[in-house]
Amino acid sequence: DAMVIQNPRYQVTQFGKPVTLSCSQTLNHNVMYWYQQKSSQAPKLLFHYYDKDFNNEADTPDNFQSRRPNTSFCFLDIRSPGLGDAAMYLCATSRDVGTQYFGPGTRLLVL
Amino acid sequence: AQSVTQPDIHITVSEGASLELRCNYSYGATPYLFWYVQSPGQGLQLLLKYFSGDTLVQGIKGFEAEFKRSQSSFNLRKPSVHWSDAAEYFCAVGAGASGTYKYIFGTGTRLKVLA
Repeated sequence: DAMVIQNPRYQVTQFGKPVTLSCSQTLNHNVMYWYQQKSSQAPKLLFHYYDKDFNNEADTPDNFQSRRPNTSFCFLDIRSPGLGDAAMYLCATSRDVGTQYFGPGTRLLVL
Repeated sequence: AQSVTQPDIHITVSEGASLELRCNYSYGATPYLFWYVQSPGQGLQLLLKYFSGDTLVQGIKGFEAEFKRSQSSFNLRKPSVHWSDAAEYFCAVGAGASGTYKYIFGTGTRLKVLA
């Protein structure tokens, strides 16, 4: 089945230690999104790639970066995680304007 | 300003009872509308969507939603709730043109089902 895959499902890191979360998709969608979701809140868009074009949300901290080496993969890099960055990180994809399909998420814990 | 409102933060229903979750939006053009469900620790699963055409849309798991342009609403309904429906439900509007398209999410409604 075509799907969105996120690895790892759970990630524990130390305060200030860089961490990378990955997302891959078999849907061949041209748009990939990264969301941060904290407990009992709606997902908050961090940035998205439209093809190779990177679109950063205005309020996304510089601590968060992303890479998309090819259509199928997208990475979220947190350069110096703080305690406030502990959250669920969701990857989603869409074919241009339309429905977004979400991965299962990566739960990040910062110690 | 574009926005999505889910007025009910929490809803509790008995198993077998009917359910309606409210969603109101503010958007200048004809919106793309979505309902997602999220179980604890999981991603968002698409229940149904509306782009155009018939204003009553059917989704998975026995859910349906009705688009009412005059009321700027897209309420989600289910005639008989099952215990497995307990989850968080998000309404979303797809906004923007190609290249800038993104979702505007409501704040979510947490559904509790009593046995």
